[in-house]
Amino acid sequence: GAGVSQSPSNKVTEKGKDVELRCDPISGHTALYWYRQRLGQGLEFLIYFQGNSAPDKSGLPSDRFSAERTGESVSTLTIQRTQQEDSAVYLCASSLEGPSGYTFGSGTRLTVV
Amino acid sequence: KQEVTQIPAALSVPEGENLVLNCSFTDSAIYNLQWFRQDPGKGLTSLLLIQSSQREQTSGRLNASLDKSSGRSTLYIAASQPGDSATYLCAVYTNAGKSTFGDGTTLTVKP
Repeated sequence: GAGVSQSPSNKVTEKGKDVELRCDPISGHTALYWYRQRLGQGLEFLIYFQGNSAPDKSGLPSDRFSAERTGESVSTLTIQRTQQEDSAVYLCASSLEGPSGYTFGSGTRLTVV
Repeated sequence: KQEVTQIPAALSVPEGENLVLNCSFTDSAIYNLQWFRQDPGKGLTSLLLIQSSQREQTSGRLNASLDKSSGRSTLYIAASQPGDSATYLCAVYTNAGKSTFGDGTTLTVKP
């Protein structure tokens, strides 16, 4: 596609439920990143995929968070047993290769009630 | 560990003023630095990307400079307009394979 697509754009879930967030990167972009942005705060790195290499999961805040990527296409970020502190905007970015700069999606706003 | 700082956190100026936003980083071993704009409730829009070998990049009324040795970048906005009101973030990309973001400067341009 022309840009990075994220779905859903908004998600309201009950505490304790699992959620899946989807990211479709720009076609041909080998690198894909997930960041979290809490209200009024900066971007917090979560996870990074580069081609067929093992992902860098160093930013995942707990074992309730996981992410998968199919080849060099779609990625899914899964949050299990959601907590209120998981409420945030989850942003996905892709890059042709790392140093070529990021293109971001519009984000998924997650609200845990 | 790379740390990125943006000062000031907020800035308010009258329309028409030229202004400078600052970004500093602690580790000068970077591949690139990217400036983004974020409107409330929206994602990030890339404004300028400066590779480590470059000193500056220009796009319209925007000019970004990079001084790797001192760990600094500036974003210069000429003839500011109310539509420039947004949060501006800088991000530095290192050999760790990912970018580290500053917390941003929230700019308000008053008509």
